[in-house]
Amino acid sequence: KNEVEQSPQNLTAQEGEFITINCSYSVGISALHWLQQHPGGGIVSLFMLSSGKKKHGRLIATINIQEKHSSLHITASHPRDSAVYICAVRLINTGNQFYFGTGTSLTVIP
Amino acid sequence: EPEVTQTPSHQVTQMGQEVILRCVPISNHLYFYWYRQILGQKVEFLVSFYNNEISEKSEIFDDQFSVERPDGSNFTLKIRSTKLEDSAMYFCASSDGGRTGFGFFGQGTRLTVV
Repeated sequence: KNEVEQSPQNLTAQEGEFITINCSYSVGISALHWLQQHPGGGIVSLFMLSSGKKKHGRLIATINIQEKHSSLHITASHPRDSAVYICAVRLINTGNQFYFGTGTSLTVIP
Repeated sequence: EPEVTQTPSHQVTQMGQEVILRCVPISNHLYFYWYRQILGQKVEFLVSFYNNEISEKSEIFDDQFSVERPDGSNFTLKIRSTKLEDSAMYFCASSDGGRTGFGFFGQGTRLTVV
């Protein structure tokens, strides 16, 4: 049973395209995180969301708490955006217990 | 830019041996975490550590695992008697407050148990 589901699993896009990665979860959460894992394995935290929308550069993350759904958008995609994007949720009523999605592997072609 | 440092980057060990994975968190951070990622699988939470004690742990973090902050700067994960299924990438992370969750990750230690 996966508490966090991501779609698509794999995504190939042409440079410049607008990209959307989706995350749905089935548990009560206090926060949702989007992470980026580089080909070498390193992980970078992109966003933490508990409501609404956040923007950082070309990245936009939204969350709908009622629908238990979040999206990560990348505008004007670039080959350097190629990475695995991981959605993770912090369970409600826990301090730091997280469930992770399996990740979306994004390849942006020049 | 501050960073979390993990050593070694890759460790190979024989089954049954003890391993210690080391992490140097960012100096003013208070919350420390270990995660693991088995090859091809999703990242899994192992443990969080605050105020010199475990604040939360997952069911993966059984008696074979322990964490320590021995000297105020290092944060270690010990696996007492490694099993083949312990082979994974282990990530350390630190944050300046629990609400920020993940904070900064280290680059990971790839553990291979043979």
